[in-house]
Amino acid sequence: ETGVTQTPRHLVMGMTNKKSLKCEQHLGHNAMYWYKQSAKKPLELMFVYNFKEQTENNSVPSRFSPECPNSSHLFLHLHTLQPEDSALYLCASSQDAEGAEQFFGPGTRLTVL
Amino acid sequence: GQQLNQSPQSMFIQEGEDVSMNCTSSSIFNTWLWYKQDPGEGPVLLIALYKAGELTSNGRLTAQFGITRKDSFLNISASIPSDVGIYFCAGQTIGTASKLTFGTGTRLQVTL
Repeated sequence: ETGVTQTPRHLVMGMTNKKSLKCEQHLGHNAMYWYKQSAKKPLELMFVYNFKEQTENNSVPSRFSPECPNSSHLFLHLHTLQPEDSALYLCASSQDAEGAEQFFGPGTRLTVL
Repeated sequence: GQQLNQSPQSMFIQEGEDVSMNCTSSSIFNTWLWYKQDPGEGPVLLIALYKAGELTSNGRLTAQFGITRKDSFLNISASIPSDVGIYFCAGQTIGTASKLTFGTGTRLQVTL
């Protein structure tokens, strides 16, 4: 238990569906991150939020839309995804955006049909 | 962009053996991190290194921050079955706050 929870753990969706991934951290951290993990590729940073403000968008397609209502919660809204978007989506948090020590949640395994 | 070369990509070892893996970069890092990921789970932070030459232990794990700041090593002593998993190195450079560069991982499998 790392103090970062993610729901759902598994998600199967069609290309026309709209779904959301949720992340919550119980560590009192101020920075939160979304990563994509695909087979045989390094973790890819998608978005960074620091004190609820988005500070990084790593050229992510607009079909992925993040939301950070407060420092403890992070969402990733998904719509009209493609099969190549199937991956493990990981949420992480750190003390702040300067902190290197990032703590990860268990991830959401997403399959796009 | 920055790349971290992690080796070996995978390894089979016998229970009780010592394990070594390393990570190299063409760029200088000011922080090195080592994570372990079990199947179906997220990466778990094992060790963080902040100073060139630093040697840090966490139980049977020992990691070192290379003197050149371009590499790091992780050693596992007396491996046990629960050491199975994928080990990732990650580095952070000055001026890239919040950005970690990850290696491609070393898959460790232990035979009894």
